[in-house]
Amino acid sequence: DIQMTQSPSSLSASVGDRVTITCRASQGISNYIAWYQQKPGKVPKLLINAASTLQSGVPSRFSGSGSGTDFTLTISSLQPEDVATYYCQSYNSARWTFGQGTKVEIK
Amino acid sequence: VQLVESGGGLVQPGGSLRLSCAASGFTFNTYEMNWVRQAPGKGLEWVSFISSGGRTIYYADSVKGRFTISRDNAKKSLYLQMNSLRAGDTAIYYCASPMSAGGHWGQGTLVTVSS
Repeated sequence: DIQMTQSPSSLSASVGDRVTITCRASQGISNYIAWYQQKPGKVPKLLINAASTLQSGVPSRFSGSGSGTDFTLTISSLQPEDVATYYCQSYNSARWTFGQGTKVEIK
Repeated sequence: VQLVESGGGLVQPGGSLRLSCAASGFTFNTYEMNWVRQAPGKGLEWVSFISSGGRTIYYADSVKGRFTISRDNAKKSLYLQMNSLRAGDTAIYYCASPMSAGGHWGQGTLVTVSS
């Protein structure tokens, strides 16, 4: 099974900072990766699929990149409402795999 | 698109529960479906997959032999029969559509396994 290694597990940054979260797949998954945002007590919200396709309504400060095994979620200018836990997900097979999550806080 | 789970609750270790997920707003019978769970304070864990026609099924090792996924396309419904439940199965259970159907998730249903 594919393993997704996500880092860091947590980060603290200032409002306006550029934030980067990475995910590494244990084998090539082409661009079959999605990124979710989960706020406390809420359902995970799909931000990006196919590595870089921003979902409708998601602010343009969010972007995704990568292909093969190495992927990145970037928040270009961190906002207070971005405080959440972020997960990557591989879906190149029927057996989905999630990263461990990255908790983003405001410094 | 709407996915609405039901059937969660409190159950004793060794007990059973059947979760349901009612789908609307998309052609349910043409898409595979999944169950994903999240234990309290923990990350997301994929649980099971079923193909559009129900012939291909996969399970996470943690639930294999205890959980059974099924679907009724006429009723636009997805099910998860959970037997021999353990404390470690305590989680919110979400049904989720594939990315090809928009990657939608339901609001989840809480399963608590405790004596």
